[in-house]
Amino acid sequence: KQEVTQIPAALSVPEGENLVLNCSFTDSAIYNLQWFRQDPGKGLTSLLLIQSSQREQTSGRLNASLDKSSGRSTLYIAASQPGDSATYLCAVLSNSGYALNFGKGTSLLVTP
Amino acid sequence: NAGVTQTPKFQVLKTGQSMTLQCAQDMNHNSMYWYRQDPGMGLRLIYYSASEGTTDKGEVPNGYNVSRLNKREFSLRLESAAPSQTSVYFCASSGVGGVRVEQYFGPGTRLTVT
Repeated sequence: KQEVTQIPAALSVPEGENLVLNCSFTDSAIYNLQWFRQDPGKGLTSLLLIQSSQREQTSGRLNASLDKSSGRSTLYIAASQPGDSATYLCAVLSNSGYALNFGKGTSLLVTP
Repeated sequence: NAGVTQTPKFQVLKTGQSMTLQCAQDMNHNSMYWYRQDPGMGLRLIYYSASEGTTDKGEVPNGYNVSRLNKREFSLRLESAAPSQTSVYFCASSGVGGVRVEQYFGPGTRLTVT
């Protein structure tokens, strides 16, 4: 069974810092990997989708990389802002399945 | 463009009661999903519908039934609610290309079973 781990579980940084969130998965036979943002009491907002054949995707201040062979993905947030405070979830779609396998998330707090 | 909508937003049930959670999407997506989110467990798939007219079990289907009413709507039914079904329920959909493309999530239904 695909296991997805996110490190750290929680992170607090001052505004303006660049930061990296990590995601690892146990089975490299994946179809794609998706990063989400979840605000307290809200639904999930899709941030970036990386297909298994891709190495990275960028959207604004966000950059996600994928190293399928080592089972790792990182989400890089540049010049963090207090509005970036949220929980970030990594989810993997395996070749053999239809369900996204989610990590437990990294709770990010950006302080002014 | 509303995306994925869910009703109700909140619900409190007593053990043994039944209810149906409604989900609709207006993106003309083929595939729809029901997940539950529990503290410390992450999100887990309950059921999914790869296309209109088909449904399949996910990781945690026990105690639930689903109906893909049409291309837009996918409902989740709890026939006899149990406290273990207290959770936040999310509906999601994915578009052209079916189950293997980006999934979009609704705002969730927060269910408490007492």
